[in-house]
Amino acid sequence: NAGVTQTPKFRILKIGQSMTLQCTQDMNHNYMYWYRQDPGMGLKLIYYSVGAGITDKGEVPNGYNVSRSTTEDFPLRLELAAPSQTSVYFCASTTFQGLAGNTIYFGEGSWLTVV
Amino acid sequence: GQNIDQPTEMTATEGAIVQINCTYQTSGFNGLFWYQQHAGEAPTFLSYNVLDGLEEKGRFSSFLSRSKGYSYLLLKELQMKDSASYLCAASLSGGSYIPTFGRGTSLIVHP
Repeated sequence: NAGVTQTPKFRILKIGQSMTLQCTQDMNHNYMYWYRQDPGMGLKLIYYSVGAGITDKGEVPNGYNVSRSTTEDFPLRLELAAPSQTSVYFCASTTFQGLAGNTIYFGEGSWLTVV
Repeated sequence: GQNIDQPTEMTATEGAIVQINCTYQTSGFNGLFWYQQHAGEAPTFLSYNVLDGLEEKGRFSSFLSRSKGYSYLLLKELQMKDSASYLCAASLSGGSYIPTFGRGTSLIVHP
């Protein structure tokens, strides 16, 4: 069972370049999220999706875009990369079970450096 | 959004017990997660509390008080491998299930 898979693991971008971080999950989860984590900080929500065709902004969406054409995939696009986007990016997914308990599954992370 | 507060750093001795506290805003609160994150790795799930009280899972226990907006993670019989960051995250009720994470508590276990 692969869980949440995100690629690439490491990437160096030049200022102004664009790229897409890929994320796919094989657990049929309806909720998917993109977080970024800066050194010594917690996870900040960039974008999230509650199902295919539905996306919404999180706390720090500027400079990013997402799409959710299928249940499995939730790519994150960086347009015109800036040094402030140097960070570790985590994709995550879950299916809300209310009182039955929840686990949010995380991908392994993508380390992005913008120079 | 949620304001999640937890200490920045804690140190403890191998074999000891440590309690990591977390406070959050109670408005719209649904449940509380604890995650462990080793340096350079993804967060891994430890617990999810919805109801008041203590839930025990081996060496780790998590407590929740909904009325006080308070939770703690209790780690017993500390091992060196428990050195990690511990993230508290609150989820809100309603149609959008969005966990909000605190900054994390860096726990250093020394011999």
